[in-house]
Amino acid sequence: EVQLVESGGGLVHPGGSVRLSCAASGFTFSSYGMNWVRQAPGKGLEWVAYISSGSSVVHYAASVKGRFTISRDNAKNSLNLQMNILRGEDTAIYYCARESSTAMADYWGQGTLVAVSS
Amino acid sequence: QSVLTQPPSVSAAPGQKVTISCSGSSSNIGNNYVSWYQQFPGTAPKLLIYENNKRPSGLPDRFSGSKSGTSATLGITGLQPGDEADYYCGTWDSSLGAGVVFGGGTKLTVL
Repeated sequence: EVQLVESGGGLVHPGGSVRLSCAASGFTFSSYGMNWVRQAPGKGLEWVAYISSGSSVVHYAASVKGRFTISRDNAKNSLNLQMNILRGEDTAIYYCARESSTAMADYWGQGTLVAVSS
Repeated sequence: QSVLTQPPSVSAAPGQKVTISCSGSSSNIGNNYVSWYQQFPGTAPKLLIYENNKRPSGLPDRFSGSKSGTSATLGITGLQPGDEADYYCGTWDSSLGAGVVFGGGTKLTVL
């Protein structure tokens, strides 16, 4: 069974940093690209970042480019998102999602909440 | 403002049929597979339709998807109260740096 479990969220001050992690199991993690998708309170889904299976390709949404860094450790079946210079508008539930050739997000984690506030 | 356009809300009575539209452009829907997601309050989105019209195993055939040009449609027949949720379309976007794009979401109310 595919499982994705996010961790690392919490309350962060504006301008601060946080590192999210996503532990993957139930599939060959090193064979899949991965996405981070966020959802602000009461709002829709917003794609944040993508990393290819071997980390050679990364893409970011314009709203986070230069502040967020996506990475992965295939030996540990782990996906990460380093979030720096956080702003109030970054407050959201952050989901990791597996990408396949047929769907940009076929499996999702349960999400972790990042709240940016003073 | 989302790249893909969905109606904010739709409603229908139990047993009826409803459709949810998703409009995009040639850089996203026009040249890529469309997926649909169902999300209940407080839970993660769940894949409902992939490759425009395919259902994951175990999903009832009451749910269907279609695509034509730069638009896609989710159809739900035999509406049940348990179908009341938010529905999102999503796809890749091949314009520079665009990545993945979603619709703004549609709230389905079963009257």
